[in-house]
Amino acid sequence: EVQLLESGGGLVQPGGSLRLSCTASGFIFSSYAMSWVRQARGKGLEWVSVISDGAGTTHYADSVKGRFTISRDNSKSTLYLQMNSLRAEDTAVYFCAKMPFSSVYCSGGSCPYFHYWGQGTLVTVSS
Amino acid sequence: EIVLTQSPATLSLSPGERATLSCRASQSVSRYLAWYQQKPGQAPRLLISGASNRATGIPARFSGSGSGTDFTLTISSLEPEDFAVYYCQQRSDWRYTFGQGTKLEIK
Repeated sequence: EVQLLESGGGLVQPGGSLRLSCTASGFIFSSYAMSWVRQARGKGLEWVSVISDGAGTTHYADSVKGRFTISRDNSKSTLYLQMNSLRAEDTAVYFCAKMPFSSVYCSGGSCPYFHYWGQGTLVTVSS
Repeated sequence: EIVLTQSPATLSLSPGERATLSCRASQSVSRYLAWYQQKPGQAPRLLISGASNRATGIPARFSGSGSGTDFTLTISSLEPEDFAVYYCQQRSDWRYTFGQGTKLEIK
């Protein structure tokens, strides 16, 4: 059974930093791309970032580019999101998600989607 | 950036009825569209990928159709556990975008 467990959320002041972690089990972590998606309270879903299986490719939403960094440690089956220069509008529940392929690109007539999701961790940016 | 517009925003139906949810893309996404279900306090769950492929464990009453810019999620006969928010999602270039969601509520 695929399991994704996020941690690291909490209250941080504007301009501060936070690092989220997502520990995976139930599948070969190093064989799949992974992603972060967030959801502000009462709002819809917003994709944040994606990383390929070997970490060779990363992409970011414009809203976080230059402030957030996605990374992974395949030896620990763990995905990370380093969040710097946090703003009030970054307040949200952050979900990690397993993608269906190793690549972040479309291949074989199929494009990536968010296959399995963790339960999320809440990040609150407030003074 | 491709924008996904879902309609209606809210759909009020009774158990046993048929639900039809729409997702329209601002430009063609071929068949690269997915649908998710989210219940209060829970993570989203994948229902459909590739416009019409049901994910593992998803009941047959859920079906997806469409291509290009117009897509539909149909729930043939609503069960009490189906009342939730539904999102469509697409990927173009390296960006992923979601529709704003349709809330399916009990009438």
